[in-house]
Amino acid sequence: NAGVTQTPKFQVLKTGQSMTLQCAQDMNHEYMSWYRQDPGMGLRLIHYSVGAGITDQGEVPNGYNVSRSTTEDFPLRLLSAAPSQTSVYFCASSPGTGTYEQYFGPGTRLTVT
Amino acid sequence: KQEVTQIPAALSVPEGENLVLNCSFTDSAIYNLQWFRQDPGKGLTSLLLIQSSQREQTSGRLNASLDKSSGRSTLYIAASQPGDSATYLCAVKSGNTGKLIFGQGTTLQVKP
Repeated sequence: NAGVTQTPKFQVLKTGQSMTLQCAQDMNHEYMSWYRQDPGMGLRLIHYSVGAGITDQGEVPNGYNVSRSTTEDFPLRLLSAAPSQTSVYFCASSPGTGTYEQYFGPGTRLTVT
Repeated sequence: KQEVTQIPAALSVPEGENLVLNCSFTDSAIYNLQWFRQDPGKGLTSLLLIQSSQREQTSGRLNASLDKSSGRSTLYIAASQPGDSATYLCAVKSGNTGKLIFGQGTTLQVKP
């Protein structure tokens, strides 16, 4: 049982490049989400999904795209990277949106130059 | 709008001391409150989850309390050890989107 896994651990992009951050969980959780963590701003919700085929925007969705074709995977796409997207990205999952504990992945540290 | 505050931002204590970390939130209509630990450059590890109907939860040397009416939670760490050094984050879940609202964290250093 690996929990929540994220790849890559580190990534450097040039402005304008696109990439996909991968997130997978093996706990059969319906709810998955993406957060970014920035100094002085804390963790902020980017997008979330309540099940396969269902996604919605969080607090800071601009510049990011998501899809959920399976229960296990929830990739985050940067369409055209900008320096403002330099951050640490965390994926999280829980059994549902109710009063459940949330489990976080190890994070992806992204630098956009 | 729900806001979560953690005070102090940083704390340094000698090994063996008992300590309390504070978390306050502005809207008492929460589903639950979760305490996390984050080591430098690492992910978030869940420590304790308190449901809105509960007053406290315990795990080993950790005890978390919740007072919804006053909008406060505390994380009590007994007999602190250097291995407890980390940033501690509290987060509340309110609303039906599953979204967590995080505090800025308290960075704890336990000196040998």
